Amino acid sequence: EAGVAQSPRYKIIEKRQSVAFWCNPISGHATLYWYQQILGQGPKLLIQFQNNGVVDDSQLPKDRFSAERLKGVDSTLKIQPAKLEDSAVYLCASSLTELNYGYTFGSGTRLTVV
Amino acid sequence: DAKTTQPTSMDCAEGRAANLPCNHSTISGNEYVYWYRQIHSQGPQYIIHGLKNNETNEMASLIITEDRKSSTLILPHATLRDTAVYYCIVRVARNYGQNFVFGPGTRLSVLP
Repeated sequence: EAGVAQSPRYKIIEKRQSVAFWCNPISGHATLYWYQQILGQGPKLLIQFQNNGVVDDSQLPKDRFSAERLKGVDSTLKIQPAKLEDSAVYLCASSLTELNYGYTFGSGTRLTVV
Repeated sequence: DAKTTQPTSMDCAEGRAANLPCNHSTISGNEYVYWYRQIHSQGPQYIIHGLKNNETNEMASLIITEDRKSSTLILPHATLRDTAVYYCIVRVARNYGQNFVFGPGTRLSVLP
């Protein structure tokens, strides 16, 4: 079974620039998540999709972050404009919607804002 | 979801059993205990989960106390590749998906 694919692997941008991350979940996984992981901390949920609908975006900084999951498969996460504090690893995960099933995470995109 | 308490770091000798504790004294009856680990530069990896009974799979064993207020993840024969941050998470299964809240975890170092 192919894993969760993310790209790019690394990205360096200047503050106030925009950036986009892409995620392709495991085939058949209806639920998709974006997490932000700041160095030394555990991952923090940004947004959760069920198919192409948003289930939870309560921790997404909506003034600068946006995410979409067109057609209920791939997803993109965008930051515009970026701030220094957005430097982090952005992780995508997917899961089946059956109860008690664990997530499968991608390797993440490491963003450095300078 | 209930909060968990884990030691910040632990060391273990290669080939020995690694026992990682987790305290979840406020766990409710419908909350499961999950363990994930994160190896450097990778995303978190699911290890095991349980509700009341002890569980074992090819990666590890999970021992949950009878009162469910704490649990221990056991890696029976730790290798250098088990060096990682281990996260203990308790959560209730929601019917629209699964939202895991990660704490800082335990950094396990397996020493040669």
